[in-house]
Amino acid sequence: EAGVAQSPRYKIIEKRQSVAFWCNPISGHATLYWYQQILGQGPKLLIQFQNNGVVDDSQLPKDRFSAERLKGVDSTLKIQPAKLEDSAVYLCASSNTGTPNEKLFFGSGTQLSVL
Amino acid sequence: DAKTTQPTSMDCAEGRAANLPCNHSTISGNEYVYWYRQIHSQGPQYIIHGLKNNETNEMASLIITEDRKSSTLILPHATLRDTAVYYCIVNSGSARQLTFGSGTQLTVLP
Repeated sequence: EAGVAQSPRYKIIEKRQSVAFWCNPISGHATLYWYQQILGQGPKLLIQFQNNGVVDDSQLPKDRFSAERLKGVDSTLKIQPAKLEDSAVYLCASSNTGTPNEKLFFGSGTQLSVL
Repeated sequence: DAKTTQPTSMDCAEGRAANLPCNHSTISGNEYVYWYRQIHSQGPQYIIHGLKNNETNEMASLIITEDRKSSTLILPHATLRDTAVYYCIVNSGSARQLTFGSGTQLTVLP
């Protein structure tokens, strides 16, 4: 089966610019997650969707980050305006139903460099 | 969720067993132990999880101590492709999100 697809693979922008990342989860997966991974650290959850509704966005910096999953399939994560500290890998993951103890499937991520 | 403590790095000879320890002394009764790994430039990959019994699958074995305060992930015959960061995570059955720490960098040496 196809895995979690993310694009672009790499993105370089200047501070104060905006950027968007796209994620296509595994077909049929109801739950979608966005994680941020700063170099040398483990991934940190930004937001979790169940179908097209937000389950948890408590760690999303909402003054500059936004995410949507309008039809309960693809998702977009946006940063506007970007700061230097947003340089990181942005990982998308999905799981089948979102029930506890399900395994998560991750994409390869988008590496963002903010100059 | 309980915190975990893992060594920062470990080496293992190719073909030998890799034993990765994890301390989770504050684990509570309903918290599971999960292991994921992350190969360079890829997203994390699920390996195995367990509650109190030892578990084995095609990738690895998970040994959980009787008091559940620590566990060991065993890769029985490590290969160069097993070089990765290995994350030990404890998570309650009611918490949907996984909280990753810094993990253990395992380097398999030829």
